[in-house]
Amino acid sequence: KAGVTQTPRYLIKTRGQQVTLSCSPISGHRSVSWYQQTPGQGLQFLFEYFSETQRNKGNFPGRFSGRQFSNSRSEMNVSTLELGDSALYLCASSLVYNEQFFGPGTRLTVL
Amino acid sequence: SQELEQSPQSLIVQEGKNLTINCTSSKTLYGLYWYKQKYGEGLIFLMMLQKGGEEKSHEKITAKLDEKKQQSSLHITASQPSHAGIYLCGADMSGSYQLTFGKGTKLSVIP
Repeated sequence: KAGVTQTPRYLIKTRGQQVTLSCSPISGHRSVSWYQQTPGQGLQFLFEYFSETQRNKGNFPGRFSGRQFSNSRSEMNVSTLELGDSALYLCASSLVYNEQFFGPGTRLTVL
Repeated sequence: SQELEQSPQSLIVQEGKNLTINCTSSKTLYGLYWYKQKYGEGLIFLMMLQKGGEEKSHEKITAKLDEKKQQSSLHITASQPSHAGIYLCGADMSGSYQLTFGKGTKLSVIP
């Protein structure tokens, strides 16, 4: 079974731009969660989607948004990028309650 | 203070030695999860513990959950260079799909 895939793997943007990251969950998994990982703050929960509905949201500004499609694929968007948004963005999918399997991540660098 | 404290922050052991990593929560645990991460990559799911006193093993790695102390430990027996990486504990503190993570323990194994 294929694992969680994330595209792109690396991304360089400049301040003020917006970015869209994509996540394809493991086949059959309907829950997709997004996390931000930085050296200073560690891994922080962004949001979780299930059947195209956002069920949980972390403590991030409204510039961070996401959505989930009917095939469970998910995208997250960050608008008006700031230097502090440079991070590894990880997506995780789940079938069973909270047994989350992570993708390889997208490394975003904001210049 | 951190909701989920991991200790130690880093560990250097000689190949063949045993080691223990601890994870302590300031809140009630609905579930405790252990992951391993190679630098800059995704998280590899190791084990999930949900019941007090639960203990699980996989190859040379054993994890235990002490529900009363709200603490979990990860023990590696006869460490190998392949065990090197960052070990992260994640906790469900709300009964939802939102995981809170510790800062991680960086393990180096010297041949």
